[in-house]
Amino acid sequence: DAGVTQSPTHLIKTRGQQVTLRCSPKSGHDTVSWYQQALGQGPQFIFQYYEEEERQRGNFPDRFSGHQYPNYSSELNVNALLLGDSALYLCASSWDRTTDTQYFGPGTRLTVL
Amino acid sequence: QQQVKQSPQSLIVQKGGIPIINCAYENTAFDYFPWYQQFPGKGPALLIAIRPDVSEKKEGRFTISFNKSAKQFSLHIMDSQPGDSATYFCAASSGAAGNKLTFGGGTRVLVKP
Repeated sequence: DAGVTQSPTHLIKTRGQQVTLRCSPKSGHDTVSWYQQALGQGPQFIFQYYEEEERQRGNFPDRFSGHQYPNYSSELNVNALLLGDSALYLCASSWDRTTDTQYFGPGTRLTVL
Repeated sequence: QQQVKQSPQSLIVQKGGIPIINCAYENTAFDYFPWYQQFPGKGPALLIAIRPDVSEKKEGRFTISFNKSAKQFSLHIMDSQPGDSATYFCAASSGAAGNKLTFGGGTRVLVKP
């Protein structure tokens, strides 16, 4: 049973560019949440997707957008990258109907130069 | 009101010692309190979690103590080992708010041999 997978592992972009990060949830999990973890800090909630809709959103600008596909996989898109967007981006999945336990993927390390 | 405050920021103990990490919260709607362990370059891994209806929970060498009236909870690592050296995060969520996790700032624990 595969856990949460994310791609790519690392990514380097320049300011102003756009980036897409991908996540495949744990088998049987239908809810995907995205978090941003700056160096030396705790993860910050970006948004959550369930049934292909954004269900909740944290305090992040509209430059951050997402999508969930019918197979529950998800994408995080960030437009007009800023230096401050450099972080580890984490995807977490959960099975909405029975548990609020969230399982995290290994993350994508984004560096904005 | 959404904050979770974690202390200390770092901790050094000898092998066999008991690191204790404390967290405090304000939002009384929080009803799920997990602890995550994170190694460098990896995503957070769920260690143990507790709900407010119990005051203590043990899983292996990890124990959560929960004080609902004080809105505080703590993690104890019994008989700590060098392999426990990692960053630990407390978190909290509310089922009524869709289970998004609010994390503490993290505690870097070093267990010396």
